[in-house]
Formats: sequence, C-alpha cells, structure tokens
Amino acid sequence: GAVVSQHPSRVICKSGTSVKIECRSLDFQATTMFWYRQFPKKSLMLMATSNEGSKATYEQGVEKDKFLINHASLTLSTLTVTSAHPEDSSFYICSVLAGASDTQYFGPGTRLTVL
Amino acid sequence: DAKTTQPPSMDCAEGRAANLPCNHSTISGNEYVYWYRQIHSQGPQYIIHGLKNNETNEMASLIITEDRKSSTLILPHATLRDTAVYYCIVRVPPEYGNKLVFGAGTILRVKS
Repeated sequence: GAVVSQHPSRVICKSGTSVKIECRSLDFQATTMFWYRQFPKKSLMLMATSNEGSKATYEQGVEKDKFLINHASLTLSTLTVTSAHPEDSSFYICSVLAGASDTQYFGPGTRLTVL
Repeated sequence: DAKTTQPPSMDCAEGRAANLPCNHSTISGNEYVYWYRQIHSQGPQYIIHGLKNNETNEMASLIITEDRKSSTLILPHATLRDTAVYYCIVRVPPEYGNKLVFGAGTILRVKS
C-alpha cells in the first residue's frame, strides 16, 4: 500500500492562531487525498476531499474558510486551521487514494491542541 | 451511503481465530466492502476489501455472503497486537468520490 506521512505529529497553539498540517504521499502520486477529523472516543469524520490542481470538496457542515486545503502537487496536501479555537482541538488524519483498486491509505495523524 | 452494523465490542483469546461480523443489508451491486483497524492514537490501517468473492491476504480473510448483505473478517491467529477498533465500511462508488463513511466499529480485545 501507499506510505503516507503527516507533519507535525502533534501541535499546541494559542487560540486565534493558524496551524498548517502537511500530508505527504511518499511513494505514490496521489491525485486525490482526504482529510478527516476524530474527536476523543469518536469515529473518524470526513471533512473534505482534496484534488490536485483544483478546489477541495467539503462535506456538509465543514467551513471551507476555516479549514483551508491546498493540494498543489501530487505528493502534498495541506490543511490550515485558521483562527483556531479550543473546540478545534482534535486528531486530524489524512489519506491518499492509491492503487488500481482506489484504496485509501491513511497517515499517522496530527494531534492539535488549542489553548 | 450504505450503512454497516457491527457489534460494539468482542473479546478473543490470544492464538485463537477472531471472527468479526458486519451487516450491510443495503449494499448496492457495485459497492465494495472495506475493513480497516485503528490502534489507539494512530491512523487507520487498511486490512482487506472485497466485492463478491472471499478474499485472503497476509493479514486476514474476508468472507462475504452470497447475497452480499453481510461479511465476516477473520484474523486466523489473534495476537495481543491485534487489539484495536475494527471498522467495516461500504465504500461510496467511484462516481460519487470513493468516500469512506466510518461507523463506530468493533472494539476487539485480544486477551492472554
């Protein structure tokens, strides 16, 4: 399967600041990547689909101006949480769509804590 | 999106086979069944997927009923490191974005 990395693995920031999370596909050129969010003891929730060279598609209820997604190359997608607030504290996970069967392979996740 | 139903938790003895059931009675003909697992504070790990036929790989076997309304993931010799949340997901077809909609999953506890 595809190997996916995320950076940083964990970040703590002050309320009102912006945080950028990187998702890299290390061994596969990914046209499509996905961003998920997971709150404690809850399941993953899809936030948006990131398509290389075009605008991301956001799921219902996800604010596109707050969660900025950029997929400028086939190996990198970034998620920027703008003006972060404590309620944005969560585990953010990306995945890439890879292989002949279009299977999703996930990154290790980024733990965001907003103080 | 086709929904899945899984038991909230299961226990399994180390070294024994773990059989995790999943119901997906509303699955459509071109929708695949995917299994992932998530160990605490890590990203989900792909296990296996299938459409109609039973599948096997180095991690597990997937048994899909003939009517495709249910499936079972089999870990043949469970180890303590297999303790995780297991998600059975019916993938949204490619024309709708290949999305995965995660349910609550099954917490599998492997005990020595």
